[in-house]
Amino acid sequence: QKEVEQDPGPLSVPEGAIVSLNCTYSNSAFQYFMWYRQYSRKGPELLMYTYSSGNKEDGRFTAQVDKSSKYISLFIRDSQPSDSATYLCAMKPSWGKLQFGAGTQVVVTP
Amino acid sequence: DTEVTQTPKHLVMGMTNKKSLKCEQHMGHRAMYWYKQKAKKPPELMFVYSYEKLSINESVPSRFSPECPNSSLLNLHLHALQPEDSALYLCASSPRQETQETQYFGPGTRLLVL
Repeated sequence: QKEVEQDPGPLSVPEGAIVSLNCTYSNSAFQYFMWYRQYSRKGPELLMYTYSSGNKEDGRFTAQVDKSSKYISLFIRDSQPSDSATYLCAMKPSWGKLQFGAGTQVVVTP
Repeated sequence: DTEVTQTPKHLVMGMTNKKSLKCEQHMGHRAMYWYKQKAKKPPELMFVYSYEKLSINESVPSRFSPECPNSSLLNLHLHALQPEDSALYLCASSPRQETQETQYFGPGTRLLVL
């Protein structure tokens, strides 16, 4: 079993809809939770990171962490075609390397 | 400025060639990383440098040789690669190895081995 599970998609939504992405994990030692956006043939771009449980909001993006359920989410409001990309979740314990999910491909159609 | 730069953007090499990838950051970060990413897969960690010293080698074949000349530069020397080594090679940096949650990636070098 992988430590981090993420549905690879593709996830197709119409412009203006809310995009809902999630990852589950098995390692209870994970403390830091990140979301990266990766456009085709580019490097990953750090969108948000959260320490421990709770919510974090940045513009149209909201990240949620539920450590009791070992479940993290990223919501993108008012989605735009420019949001079409692969979204990678990543997480790490206090000391240790990043563990990435497989990445979810998102397509926002005009 | 949260920029990590990588050169070249693209590289085509034969299996007998020697080439080098270069990575640079000017954020004052003391941890730098090399990752390999195959199509539709997440990045895989190869090496970690912390304060210019090799901290982690994820059992990478010796045909890949990292080098950290100073705190801003990271090189990856390539020799006698195989076609299966074709991938996107990503460099990243973070303030320290303990703060990987704020790890910033470069645009990558797309490598094709013929």
